[in-house]
Amino acid sequence: AQSVTQLGSHVSVSEGALVLLRCNYSSSVPPYLFWYVQYPNQGLQLLLKYTTGATLVKGINGFEAEFKKSETSFHLTKPSAHMSDAAEYFCAVSHSSGSARQLTFGSGTQLTVLP
Amino acid sequence: DTEVTQTPKHLVMGMTNKKSLKCEQHMGHRAMYWYKQKAKKPPELMFVYSYEKLSINESVPSRFSPECPNSSLLNLHLHALQPEDSALYLCASSQSGTANEKLFFGSGTQLSVL
Repeated sequence: AQSVTQLGSHVSVSEGALVLLRCNYSSSVPPYLFWYVQYPNQGLQLLLKYTTGATLVKGINGFEAEFKKSETSFHLTKPSAHMSDAAEYFCAVSHSSGSARQLTFGSGTQLTVLP
Repeated sequence: DTEVTQTPKHLVMGMTNKKSLKCEQHMGHRAMYWYKQKAKKPPELMFVYSYEKLSINESVPSRFSPECPNSSLLNLHLHALQPEDSALYLCASSQSGTANEKLFFGSGTQLSVL
């Protein structure tokens, strides 16, 4: 079984401040981890993913995430928030013993960027 | 072309109507998905087609009927829906359906059932 917990359903930051969105996972086998972003009235877009190899993953729009097995975490960060980063962010987990059917989303974090 | 195109963008239907949602991709992807998303919630998987065959049906009521006419097209036929079926319906595709693949999502169809 696998699951994802996103801590904080709403996060507010000032423009230019650090963005930190938290994600913890539970998986009985080595996981694949994803962060997706959803802008209003749109579908989801992949920001980044961890499969194997380097634990620090860089994605689009200046976002990055670090896979920490010991902490079962995959937190998303961005050094300096921009107004255009305001959106819903979903962490997701899957593993190699299944198909993409096994993709499990977290409950989401709404990011607000204050001017 | 890296887009998944969904039509219509908005749909209002009565409980006795029959309507269809359409999804199209031209990326050569062989796995296609239907997700349902209620407001402020994560997407919930409904169906998966792999190589034009239905491989996953997540216990979806029979009033939702998927169809995959070819590798580029995915339809969702709707009949006798309930007001609680109102939601954003998202189509997605991926290369072949394995667990480490990126999903490409369409912008969705916002469905309202009256």
